[in-house]
Amino acid sequence: DAKTTQPTSMDCAEGRAANLPCNHSTISGNEYVYWYRQIHSQGPQYIIHGLKNNETNEMASLIITEDRKSSTLILPHATLRDTAVYYCIVRSAIYNQGGKLIFGQGTELSVKP
Amino acid sequence: DVKVTQSSRYLVKRTGEKVFLECVQDMDHENMFWYRQDPGLGLRLIYFSYDVKMKEKGDIPEGYSVSREKKERFSLILESASTNQTSMYLCASSPQLATDTQYFGPGTRLTVL
Repeated sequence: DAKTTQPTSMDCAEGRAANLPCNHSTISGNEYVYWYRQIHSQGPQYIIHGLKNNETNEMASLIITEDRKSSTLILPHATLRDTAVYYCIVRSAIYNQGGKLIFGQGTELSVKP
Repeated sequence: DVKVTQSSRYLVKRTGEKVFLECVQDMDHENMFWYRQDPGLGLRLIYFSYDVKMKEKGDIPEGYSVSREKKERFSLILESASTNQTSMYLCASSPQLATDTQYFGPGTRLTVL
């Protein structure tokens, strides 16, 4: 699975959009981009995933560049409860070692009042 | 909504004890996973199961065993707990393929004294 690079930390004002970038320059054609988040001392929570097209659900939007080498997770109206570590994961769609997830260091997002 | 539950949020055991961690999912998922999460090491896959009574070793199976007698339940067993097994244990499940989206439980923080 391709490696990802994320900023270590980011701040965002409550009510504003939070834009979390991720670089995955070695991504291959059959690899998805997944985003999870983890609030302190809780299990990871699935947010969204995509292959080529931009995706949106009730939690967030995922924007993937045309060359697929980077992506941005957008939380449109951040709240204090969105404070968490956000993980960008590139994952093969082909069965590989049981489909294990590889979490990097992630971005620690702090939403401030 | 997918619901993955784990039997305990916090557990304290003594060295040498046999420890059972239970995980239950209510979405009829085929695949279930056990990870441990440690600071600086990310998530590491211990075992996974793609069907009842089937199990596969992950990256760090030593000192652990698993049991899947029913589709909805996947148990992690520490045969003889040791202090280096103090960790956050996370259970996850995914629908059909091992490469489908994984949904996590809240985690069990195990301390071995």
